[in-house]
Amino acid sequence: EAQVTQNPRYLITVTGKKLTVTCSQNMNHEYMSWYRQDPGLGLRQIYYSMNVEVTDKGDVPEGYKVSRKEKRNFPLILESPSPNQTSLYFCASSLSGTVSTDTQYFGPGTRLTVL
Amino acid sequence: AQTVTQSQPEMSVQEAETVTLSCTYDTSENNYYLFWYKQPPSRQMILVIRQEAYKQQNATENRFSVNFQKAAKSFSLKISDSQLGDTAMYFCAFTSEIQGAQKLVFGQGTRLTINP
Repeated sequence: EAQVTQNPRYLITVTGKKLTVTCSQNMNHEYMSWYRQDPGLGLRQIYYSMNVEVTDKGDVPEGYKVSRKEKRNFPLILESPSPNQTSLYFCASSLSGTVSTDTQYFGPGTRLTVL
Repeated sequence: AQTVTQSQPEMSVQEAETVTLSCTYDTSENNYYLFWYKQPPSRQMILVIRQEAYKQQNATENRFSVNFQKAAKSFSLKISDSQLGDTAMYFCAFTSEIQGAQKLVFGQGTRLTINP
């Protein structure tokens, strides 16, 4: 089954404790991205990757890191999480970087709470 | 920068009624794409409908249709014969060729409840 998986689905952590949210897709997609969803703000892009070893900032990259060492994986790293990073996070992938025409496949979301 | 605005935070209708969700956007570009996504309680993001700005004909997908008014920069979603399964958060989204079409710009969302 074609899918994007994220782990964990739920995470409660404390300020400053490094964490990684994993994202994996099994569709051989070149393009992957991370969004965060906050009430009243919709979804905002954090980082995206056009291919292996190619990443770029989205609209709200501060406090986040990503890497793309393998085509299928695109982990989101919070080196020192803060309470303002409490949010719902989505990973998405598509065949190419043209989101206008390529179907975006979204993961199930990760609910992160930073205390 | 492109912005997308959904001015209705919440809406509620009775089952089988027709409901229209509003979306406006701001861009100086001529070639762009608009989308409506549905997010049910499961949180899964589901593409409902897609519209290309250069196409004058409004997109339709079964009970879902859009009213695309390019001059007014308006992109509303109409759900006909609403069903309980339509209960969800709905997001309007935008992308364009000039910004490399590498991201979706989302509106704030409208929480729609279909009552039995």
